[in-house]
Amino acid sequence: DTGVSQDPRHKITKRGQNVTFRCDPISEHNRLYWYRQTLGQGPEFLTYFQNEAQLEKSRLLSDRFSAERPKGSFSTLEIQRTEQGDSAMYLCASSFSSQNYGYTFGSGTRLTVV
Amino acid sequence: DAKTTQPNSMESNEEEPVHLPCNHSTISGTDYIHWYRQLPSQGPEYVIHGLTSNVNNRMASLAIAEDRKSSTLILHRATLRDAAVYYCILRANFGNEKLTFGTGTRLTIIP
Repeated sequence: DTGVSQDPRHKITKRGQNVTFRCDPISEHNRLYWYRQTLGQGPEFLTYFQNEAQLEKSRLLSDRFSAERPKGSFSTLEIQRTEQGDSAMYLCASSFSSQNYGYTFGSGTRLTVV
Repeated sequence: DAKTTQPNSMESNEEEPVHLPCNHSTISGTDYIHWYRQLPSQGPEYVIHGLTSNVNNRMASLAIAEDRKSSTLILHRATLRDAAVYYCILRANFGNEKLTFGTGTRLTIIP
């Protein structure tokens, strides 16, 4: 297993377009998290899944954002009608549910909305 | 979420030990102390975590104060590759599962 993979690494889109990002977690991990990070700030929590169930969503996750994790494997994060304020790094992480393990993050998808 | 306080930035000489402090005066008895670091253009990387006792691993050591209101991440011999933003995070043992990041400490290593 090579870790958490995110695709694409970079995405430039025009305002108003829809975009979808994919995350492939470490296969043994049952938890999957999405974060967003803007320049100079720490990552902000968006949502997380345990297996295929979405257990928590941040209020940052407006109705233009939707995340899925079908069959508890990979996950997708879709942003509809993108706005310039959506420009950020979108990070995915996975972990076991136990406190004895840390998160493993991917390298992120950098979204630029023009 | 219980809050942590870290210096915005620190500098250290290469091959010297580095002590990165973190204050968490409102920590609850079941909160774990986690440290992550983020190198430029990468996602955060897990470093170490602990509850009450000091912890060591191949990357670093974590020293936890007896009252648990502060902790220190120790890099025993800094290299240029340790230049990163270091985040100290309290993670609840039950219920609130997510990591909540602050702005961290930007560590600069001077050759």
